[in-house]
Amino acid sequence: TQLLEQSPQFLSIQEGENLTVYCNSSSVFSSLQWYRQEPGEGPVLLVTVVTGGEVKKLKRLTFQFGDARKDSSLHITAAQPGDTGLYLCAGRKMDSSYKLIFGSGTRLLVRP
Amino acid sequence: SQTIHQWPATLVQPVGSPLSLECTVEGTSNPNLYWYRQAAGRGLQLLFYSVGIGQISSEVPQNLSASRPQDRQFILSSKKLLLSDSGFYLCASSGGPVVTDTQYFGPGTRLTVL
Repeated sequence: TQLLEQSPQFLSIQEGENLTVYCNSSSVFSSLQWYRQEPGEGPVLLVTVVTGGEVKKLKRLTFQFGDARKDSSLHITAAQPGDTGLYLCAGRKMDSSYKLIFGSGTRLLVRP
Repeated sequence: SQTIHQWPATLVQPVGSPLSLECTVEGTSNPNLYWYRQAAGRGLQLLFYSVGIGQISSEVPQNLSASRPQDRQFILSSKKLLLSDSGFYLCASSGGPVVTDTQYFGPGTRLTVL
């Protein structure tokens, strides 16, 4: 059972366009993280959101945690080829703080 | 921050052969350690995690096993590999059970079982 569903699974856009990636679940999470992964490498943490409704910005990336702490979104403004990669959301369940539940991933390709 | 080392980087093994993947951690003590498997371009499936030496929790029934002989060493093993064991194996380390805990990942091992 996939607890965290990401959409879209794949996104190919032109440099300069905006995009939003969604991460949805029926479960409540104590926190949610977004990771970015390059081919052949391990994921690297981008951000952690903890409070329902929380919004965090990292340069051109904006992350939001849903009010009910069941979903999250990642918005990229004016995408660049360097943003290309696999974006993974990961939630920490309320009753199991050691473990992260990873989403299915969104593969982003930004064409020059 | 922590540095995670994994080896080998790439491995091609025949069906039925044994497996041993090693992960070591620098820059922290008494970390929580994790083994994940990732299908091509997809999310991570947690296989095992460990909160201390000799303490292993298995998440998915399978023919793999894990061991933690030292504080910063985590080993993934199999006695007989299956075709379905092919994938990208990632080791991760984290500091503790807090909601903002960050997992640091190693570079991964690409395993192909033929």
